[in-house]
Amino acid sequence: AQRVTQPEKLLSVFKGAPVELKCNYSYSGSPELFWYVQYSRQRLQLLLRHISRESIKGFTADLNKGETSFHLKKPFAQEEDSAMYYCALNGAGSYQLTFGKGTKLSVIP
Amino acid sequence: EPEVTQTPSHQVTQMGQEVILRCVPISNHLYFYWYRQILGQKVEFLVSFYNNEISEKSEIFDDQFSVERPDGSNFTLKIRSTKLEDSAMYFCASGSLQETQYFGPGTRLLVL
Repeated sequence: AQRVTQPEKLLSVFKGAPVELKCNYSYSGSPELFWYVQYSRQRLQLLLRHISRESIKGFTADLNKGETSFHLKKPFAQEEDSAMYYCALNGAGSYQLTFGKGTKLSVIP
Repeated sequence: EPEVTQTPSHQVTQMGQEVILRCVPISNHLYFYWYRQILGQKVEFLVSFYNNEISEKSEIFDDQFSVERPDGSNFTLKIRSTKLEDSAMYFCASGSLQETQYFGPGTRLLVL
């Protein structure tokens, strides 16, 4: 069975402070990990995939297979980063995305 | 930039009624999905559809649910006899590759 855990329901940081949104997963094989973001009243949008190793809007995430983690980081938070962030996993040979419960990021001006 | 669209944005129905939720995936995508999110809970996978057939489904996707791609553009989710616990936000998604999924804005279904 595959599972994604986002331990923080809400994370508040000041503008300019570093951000780390935690994601841990449980999966026996080699997963694909994703971060999706949902801004207020908007759709879920793909933020980044671990396989592409890119930085989107200043966010990065590294897959740590030893710790089974895929934490999302940004060195300096901006007010426009305030949103709901979901970590998701896609197992090998599977079509479904398994989501975490999400973390609401609030950036305080 | 092309986007997945869904109609209606909101649907209110009586328990026991049939509902059809509609989605127009991105035009060159081959993989189609439905997810739902009950208020306060996580987004849950319902079903995936590829090559005109269901490729994977979850335990939630029981006999009350069905999907169809009636023409080249629409992808529908039907709930035959709605229950109170079907109240949720339903998201359609599509992708050109098996891994990357692009989501629609969702349909909020309320069953009374």
